[in-house]
Amino acid sequence: DTEVTQTPKHLVMGMTNKKSLKCEQHMGHRAMYWYKQKAKKPPELMFVYSYEKLSINESVPSRFSPECPNSSLLNLHLHALQPEDSALYLCASSQEPSEGYFSAKNIQYFGAGTRLSVL
Amino acid sequence: LAKTTQPISMDSYEGQEVNITCSHNNIATNDYITWYQQFPSQGPRFIIQGYKTKVTNEVASLFIPADRKSSTLSLPRVSLSDTAVYYCLVVLWDSSYKLIFGSGTRLLVRP
Repeated sequence: DTEVTQTPKHLVMGMTNKKSLKCEQHMGHRAMYWYKQKAKKPPELMFVYSYEKLSINESVPSRFSPECPNSSLLNLHLHALQPEDSALYLCASSQEPSEGYFSAKNIQYFGAGTRLSVL
Repeated sequence: LAKTTQPISMDSYEGQEVNITCSHNNIATNDYITWYQQFPSQGPRFIIQGYKTKVTNEVASLFIPADRKSSTLSLPRVSLSDTAVYYCLVVLWDSSYKLIFGSGTRLLVRP
C-alpha cells in the first residue's frame, strides 16, 4: 500500500473559521510533510515531522498549526486564514531522514491534496 | 540566492524523446537529485533519482554531469499520458539546507 490519504478533498472557509486538514499513511514511514502549492507553481515546503516530532518549520505563519498525533496521522489546523492562503495543500510521507536534514533521496509519496478556498 | 531553474514549458509529439533540464547551482554536496511528475489535481509522483552520472529505470533516464549543477530527465518515446508537469527536487545550501522543488516544466505531448 503506497497510498497517502488526505481529507477533505475540498474546503471552503471564512477568515474567522477554524478547520483542520487530515493526512494518513500506513506505509510505516516516519517522516511526514506539509506543502502548499499555488496554481502553476511548485509545491513549497511548510513543515516536516520526523518520528512524530516537528523537525522543520519553514517560517510558516502561526495561523497554520501542524500536529502529528501518531506515526500514521498528520493534521494541519487552520485558524484566521487570509484569502492569499487559498491553495492546494499537499501531504507527503517518506522513510526517515538521513544526515541531519531532509534528503531529496528520501522518496516522498504524496496525497492528492486538499484544495482550500478562503473567503 | 540558491535556486533551481527549469524551462517553463515544452511541446513534443508521441514517440519522440524529451529531455528536461534542471539547473541547481548550490546543491548540497552529498545529496541526491530526484524528479517527480504531477498531473492536475494530484500530488507529485516519483519518477527517478540519482547522485551522479547516469541512472536508468523502466520509465526514464537521468543524466547528471560531474559538477552536479544541473540534471537532465530523459523520457524516451513519450505518449499522450506523459502530458504533465515535471519537477526536480534537490537540497540547496543558502545559509541553511533547503529542500526545494524546481520551478516545474509543463510538457504537452501532441498526437
